[in-house]
Amino acid sequence: KNEVEQSPQNLTAQEGEFITINCSYSVGISALHWLQQHPGGGIVSLFMLSSGKKKHGRLIATINIQEKHSSLHITASHPRDSAVYICAVRKTSYDKVIFGPGTSLSVIP
Amino acid sequence: DSGVTQTPKHLITATGQRVTLRCSPRSGDLSVYWYQQSLDQGLQFLIQYYNGEERAKGNILERFSAQQFPDLHSELNLSSLELGDSALYFCASSRQGGLETQYFGPGTRLLVL
Repeated sequence: KNEVEQSPQNLTAQEGEFITINCSYSVGISALHWLQQHPGGGIVSLFMLSSGKKKHGRLIATINIQEKHSSLHITASHPRDSAVYICAVRKTSYDKVIFGPGTSLSVIP
Repeated sequence: DSGVTQTPKHLITATGQRVTLRCSPRSGDLSVYWYQQSLDQGLQFLIQYYNGEERAKGNILERFSAQQFPDLHSELNLSSLELGDSALYFCASSRQGGLETQYFGPGTRLLVL
């Protein structure tokens, strides 16, 4: 079993829909990252979370440390949100970064 | 533009060869991370440096080595290359090397023939 799992693996949505991507992990962590990888390959860090909730524009990320679970929400989705979303965790700053397999999102106009 | 630069953008080489990938972090960032992304394995953490010293190590093969220089740029050396080393290699940087946002470079696409 992978240490970091994501669901769904693939997601197709209509423009304007509310989207949720989930990340579950089995190790104790101090931080969780949400990354966005564009079709061209570039990676952008969306959020770094250690507790609670963060919001940036139409994106919201939450984490429940006790349940070892995080969600990334996209409100009013747009075709430009089409990308692969990757969750990554880290126990401490001296440990390796562990990545989830990614969720491929396609938003159709 | 993240401010992290990587060279070269593309590299084609043959099995058994050695290559060096270079990364310059954002101005003021002390920590550099190296990642490998292959089609079958996804993103994998290789190694992290902080202010010239190794900070964390991941799934880095013995054929691979890295270092961070006094001017904070970093190099990843890949030797005795195999077909399976073909991948995208990303560098990222962060301010202090702790649990903080990382800024990714555009990547180097390596093809081993």
